[in-house]
Amino acid sequence: AQTVTQSQPEMSVQEAETVTLSCTYDTSESDYYLFWYKQPPSRQMILVIRQEAYKQQNATENRFSVNFQKAAKSFSLKISDSQLGDAAMYFCAYNNAGNMLTFGGGTRLMVKP
Amino acid sequence: EPEVTQTPSHQVTQMGQEVILRCVPISNHLYFYWYRQILGQKVEFLVSFYNNEISEKSEIFDDQFSVERPDGSNFTLKIRSTKLEDSAMYFCASSYGGVSYNEQFFGPGTRLTVL
Repeated sequence: AQTVTQSQPEMSVQEAETVTLSCTYDTSESDYYLFWYKQPPSRQMILVIRQEAYKQQNATENRFSVNFQKAAKSFSLKISDSQLGDAAMYFCAYNNAGNMLTFGGGTRLMVKP
Repeated sequence: EPEVTQTPSHQVTQMGQEVILRCVPISNHLYFYWYRQILGQKVEFLVSFYNNEISEKSEIFDDQFSVERPDGSNFTLKIRSTKLEDSAMYFCASSYGGVSYNEQFFGPGTRLTVL
C-alpha cells in the first residue's frame, strides 16, 4: 500500500521569506501523480500544485514550486515570497490509479508578519 | 465561483443512531467522493462514485456505510449505526473527470460527533 509522510507537523516563516515543506512517499509504481493541497482555517481544501511522475520538470505555479526527486521518492513544496494568506495546513497527496487520493498527515504553516 | 457545499456543518448523534451527511457537488462534475479525518490523524479516502455506482472504496467503507445520489444535485453518505470511532470530519469532494488529471474540489466538511 502507498504511504505518504510529512515529517514536519508545523513550520513557520517570516513574511516575504521562502519556506520548504517536505513530503516523502512509498510506492512500487512507476507512473503516478502527486499533489499539494492547502487548507486555510475553516475553509475548503484547495489544490495548490500537481506533478506527474513521468515528467522530469518540476511543476511551478506562481510563487509555489516543487522539488520532485523520483528516485528518492521525495516531493517538497517551496513557497517563495511568503504572504500572510499562505498560513494554512498543507497536505501532500498521492494518486496512481483510480480516483483515490492518499494523503500525508499535513504540515501547519504559520506566517509571521 | 462554484463550490462544493456540505450540510450540516456539525452533527451530534448518539451511538447506534443512523446519520446522513449531505453534499451538493459542483453541478457539471461527474465524480464524487467522501473522505474522513479523525482528529489529529490523516485524511482518509472512503469511497468514490461515478455513473450512479461506487467505483472504488477503501477498507474503512464497510457495510455500515452507504452512498447515494438521490437526485441530480445531492450526494449523501449514510452511516447506519454510528460508533464512537466514527467521530471525525467528513469531507465531500467532486471532480469533472478522474482525479489524475482533474482537480478534486472539496467541501468544507461536516464534523460528526458520536456520543
